[in-house]
Amino acid sequence: AQTVTQSQPEMSVQEAETVTLSCTYDTSESDYYLFWYKQPPSRQMILVIRQEAYKQQNATENRFSVNFQKAAKSFSLKISDSQLGDAAMYFCAYRVYAGANSKLTFGKGITLSVRP
Amino acid sequence: EAGVAQSPRYKIIEKRQSVAFWCNPISGHATLYWYQQILGQGPKLLIQFQNNGVVDDSQLPKDRFSAERLKGVDSTLKIQPAKLEDSAVYLCASSRASTGNTEAFFGQGTRLTVV
Repeated sequence: AQTVTQSQPEMSVQEAETVTLSCTYDTSESDYYLFWYKQPPSRQMILVIRQEAYKQQNATENRFSVNFQKAAKSFSLKISDSQLGDAAMYFCAYRVYAGANSKLTFGKGITLSVRP
Repeated sequence: EAGVAQSPRYKIIEKRQSVAFWCNPISGHATLYWYQQILGQGPKLLIQFQNNGVVDDSQLPKDRFSAERLKGVDSTLKIQPAKLEDSAVYLCASSRASTGNTEAFFGQGTRLTVV
């Protein structure tokens, strides 16, 4: 079974600084996708960034980038130039590539606070 | 495009009562998911539909939970009877397909409190 582990329950960062959120996963599959979702107090989950396991290049979306280490099964999210609006819960998620009905599995999440 | 709509936003019921949640996915999305998110935890998949067929309900407590997706569009999730441990946020999500990197779009959820 696939599992996603986020071992840090909380992180804090100063506005305009950089913060890295960690995620590890366990799978026997070779092809899969990894995601980071943001959940603000409004509760609506929003996709931040996604990574295809077959791509060696790390994904980047504006201030958000990932460090994907396939051999170590590690998928961390780096937020640069942190803003007050980045404060939220962040969830790492995994989905296997093959199969029409693959499940999206989430980690426990990490609460990020941003200090002004 | 309109997002995933859920109602109600909040619900408080007594244990052993029944409750139902409604979800309207994004138009054209074939896949619909119901997740349970207990406070402080990540979302746990309860059931996944592909059009109007169930493709994964392995974590749905079938003795008390039921779900249906009428005509492959709207969906309802029911709990009967509710237990204290059912207190959680119930999230509905939809996607064009259930493969690979297809993005899942989430609604704002229903916060259920069982007292």
